[in-house]
Amino acid sequence: SQKIEQNSEALNIQEGKTATLTCNYTNYSPAYLQWYRQDPGRGPVFLLLIRENEKEKRKERLKVTFDTTLKQSLFHITASQPADSATYLCASRSSASKIIFGSGTRLSIRP
Amino acid sequence: DVKVTQSSRYLVKRTGEKVFLECVQDMDHENMFWYRQDPGLGLRLIYFSYDVKMKEKGDIPEGYSVSREKKERFSLILESASTNQTSMYLCASSDGGGLYEQYFGPGTRLTVT
Repeated sequence: SQKIEQNSEALNIQEGKTATLTCNYTNYSPAYLQWYRQDPGRGPVFLLLIRENEKEKRKERLKVTFDTTLKQSLFHITASQPADSATYLCASRSSASKIIFGSGTRLSIRP
Repeated sequence: DVKVTQSSRYLVKRTGEKVFLECVQDMDHENMFWYRQDPGLGLRLIYFSYDVKMKEKGDIPEGYSVSREKKERFSLILESASTNQTSMYLCASSDGGGLYEQYFGPGTRLTVT
């Protein structure tokens, strides 16, 4: 089945360092990948979309890459801050035109 | 700003009750979605709708139905609530063909006892 997989283990990073989160997809070739941020008890908020023909996309301190050979997207937060602590979700559209989400990676930035 | 609102933040219902969860968006989006979110399972799509009076099953439609009589409103119905439907329910909307960003509501935490 078509899947999006994210590292379910929490990621703990020292403030100021770069956080890197991974999203792997299997059994299909998505035309794009999206990244969302979710805070506890709230709905996800869209951050970035990257298309399959884009290698990299940036928005302020955020950077997303898309490697169709590795079937992977990486999400980077540079100069991380405690306010960046949240769960980050990867999502895409399957070949059946349904939206599928990864289970998310919880990121904690310690001061 | 796009706003998606859900009728309740917290809801407690008894087994066998009929439950209505309402979602309203104010940006004239064509597409609306209902998800449930459970620890370790992520977001799972229950139903979605690309137009008024139109609905499509998602990955886990069993035990649920939906209604979309107006463009801005998408309702999720649990015909006979069961304890395994205790979850966080999230509504979302998007423009276009569902390719682009989804705007989520705050979620409804439903507990079925």
